[in-house]
Amino acid sequence: RKEVEQDPGPFNVPEGATVAFNCTYSNSASQSFFWYRQDCRKEPKLLMSVYSSGNEDGRFTAQLNRASQYISLLIRDSKLSDSATYLCVVSTGNQFYFGTGTSLTVIP
Amino acid sequence: NAGVTQTPKFQVLKTGQSMTLQCAQDMNHNSMYWYRQDPGMGLRLIYYSASEGTTDKGEVPNGYNVSRLNKREFSLRLESAAPSQTSVYFCASRLTGTSGFYEQYFGPGTRLTVT
Repeated sequence: RKEVEQDPGPFNVPEGATVAFNCTYSNSASQSFFWYRQDCRKEPKLLMSVYSSGNEDGRFTAQLNRASQYISLLIRDSKLSDSATYLCVVSTGNQFYFGTGTSLTVIP
Repeated sequence: NAGVTQTPKFQVLKTGQSMTLQCAQDMNHNSMYWYRQDPGMGLRLIYYSASEGTTDKGEVPNGYNVSRLNKREFSLRLESAAPSQTSVYFCASRLTGTSGFYEQYFGPGTRLTVT
């Protein structure tokens, strides 16, 4: 079983739409959780860390459910510039485990 | 402050050739990592170094060796390249400590093709 599983998409949404991505992880001892963004042929960059109580950064909201081993990312009022691949990342000790990514295209 | 740098950006090798991918960070991070990214596979950990002087295998270490030269530099060596090692290689670094969320910072990647 993979450490981190994501729906690969693709998600094609119109500008202004709200879109949600989900991710599950297999190791209940996982300690830290992140969403990264990766643009085509570029390196992953941190979008936001995910805290137990949930957290928001502008149009982006991340939630963590430790009991269900589930992480989510909600993007409100989608912009064209949000088009990218979103990676769910789970850390246990010194190791990081990446989902395969969910592709988002925001359409004008 | 350049962050994480990698050289070269692109490389084409013939089967059996060797090469070293270089990575350096100027953020005084303790931990450094090497990943490969293949279509549909996500990032997979090759090796990591939790601190200067230590290295550990990740998920896909076969065919690779690493050296943590000092706190700043972590190199990845392919001794005898194979077509299966065609991939994009990313180096990352991270501050480690007893508390807090410490994310990874990535270099721009090396695109390697083995023919």
